[in-house]
Amino acid sequence: NAGVTQTPKFQVLKTGQSMTLQCAQDMNHNSMYWYRQDPGMGLRLIYYSASEGTTDKGEVPNGYNVSRLNKREFSLRLESAAPSQTSVYFCASRRTGEETQYFGPGTRLLVL
Amino acid sequence: AQSVTQPDIHITVSEGASLELRCNYSYGATPYLFWYVQSPGQGLQLLLKYFSGDTLVQGIKGFEAEFKRSQSSFNLRKPSVHWSDAAEYFCAVGANPGTASKLTFGTGTRLQVTL
Repeated sequence: NAGVTQTPKFQVLKTGQSMTLQCAQDMNHNSMYWYRQDPGMGLRLIYYSASEGTTDKGEVPNGYNVSRLNKREFSLRLESAAPSQTSVYFCASRRTGEETQYFGPGTRLLVL
Repeated sequence: AQSVTQPDIHITVSEGASLELRCNYSYGATPYLFWYVQSPGQGLQLLLKYFSGDTLVQGIKGFEAEFKRSQSSFNLRKPSVHWSDAAEYFCAVGANPGTASKLTFGTGTRLQVTL
């Protein structure tokens, strides 16, 4: 039981490049979330998926897209990376009826 | 909209000393409150949570937190800090069940432990 896994662990992009951050959970959770963490700002919600087939914007969705590929997987895509998207990205999941979110180890993204 | 304030950005304590990390929240209904810990280079680990009932909740690693509705606070405490407790601590508030349960996080408190 790996919990929440994220790939890659670290990525360097040039401005304008695109990439997809992958997240998978093996806990049969319905809800999944993408956060970004920036110094002095805590974690901010980018997008979430309350259940398979649905996605909604969070607090800071601009510049990102998401896909809930199936119940296990929730990907985050940067179509044209900008230096302002340099951050640590965390994926989380939650079982319906519970309030606790379980976090992955994070992806560190540097956009030059 | 819900919000969380962690007024202390950085705290330093000596090993063996007691610890209290402050958290104040703003939420219109009964809050669901959490404390998470993040060790350097790691993801977030749940320390404890409060949903209802006893306002003093116990968590892992010897931590506890007390919910005080009148003060809109959920402070984290530990009687005797260990060097391994050095990490960043986040308080978070969640919405009622039945929603997507989006969490709002505070900006975090970085704990340094001196030997």
